[in-house]
Amino acid sequence: EPEVTQTPSHQVTQMGQEVILRCVPISNHLYFYWYRQILGQKVEFLVSFYNNEISEKSEIFDDQFSVERPDGSNFTLKIRSTKLEDSAMYFCASSEWSGQGKLFFGSGTQLSVL
Amino acid sequence: SQQGEEDPQALSIQEGENATMNCSYKTSINNLQWYRQNSGRGLVHLILIRSNEREKHSGRLRVTLDTSKKSSSLLITASRAADTASYFCATDRGGANSKLTFGKGITLSVRP
Repeated sequence: EPEVTQTPSHQVTQMGQEVILRCVPISNHLYFYWYRQILGQKVEFLVSFYNNEISEKSEIFDDQFSVERPDGSNFTLKIRSTKLEDSAMYFCASSEWSGQGKLFFGSGTQLSVL
Repeated sequence: SQQGEEDPQALSIQEGENATMNCSYKTSINNLQWYRQNSGRGLVHLILIRSNEREKHSGRLRVTLDTSKKSSSLLITASRAADTASYFCATDRGGANSKLTFGKGITLSVRP
């Protein structure tokens, strides 16, 4: 079965540093998402992306965050200046359709900000 | 904003028993989905039920949806130790800018 791939699986960074989390969605999917999960808490929506632009973003997704689809396969989440509270598991997801289908999630990138 | 809220927060049962998990939400939806998460892993889609459906089955899974009460339940029959995981309901309002909104999840432990 096709899957969403995320790299790296773990990322440790110093506060204030920039990080880029990478994702390769399923090839024929058109809708892409980033979610995050702070340890022991709910899965929170960050941003959705379609047709090379952001469809929707949450309050969490402030100016420090950006997403990009630099080529036909990768989908990246950049955090410009990391804060301690950015430490979380970040999940990428993709789907064929919006509002009608299931999401396929990657295994996540555990981001630790020191 | 719509939000899935599951209960109980944690459930411990014996292998072979049935596990019932409930979810409530606040606003109208297009569909409701259940996902499973093993510790430290990504979420895996289990089952989707549309707003015009009342019940759906998939293997040992049975999901119900009551839109009048804004609630859903997930039943796992004949549970196995391998069913031990966290289970999340997620609501989808549909439309062009659709996204899933997840609840806090239920931790299910199935004792061998």
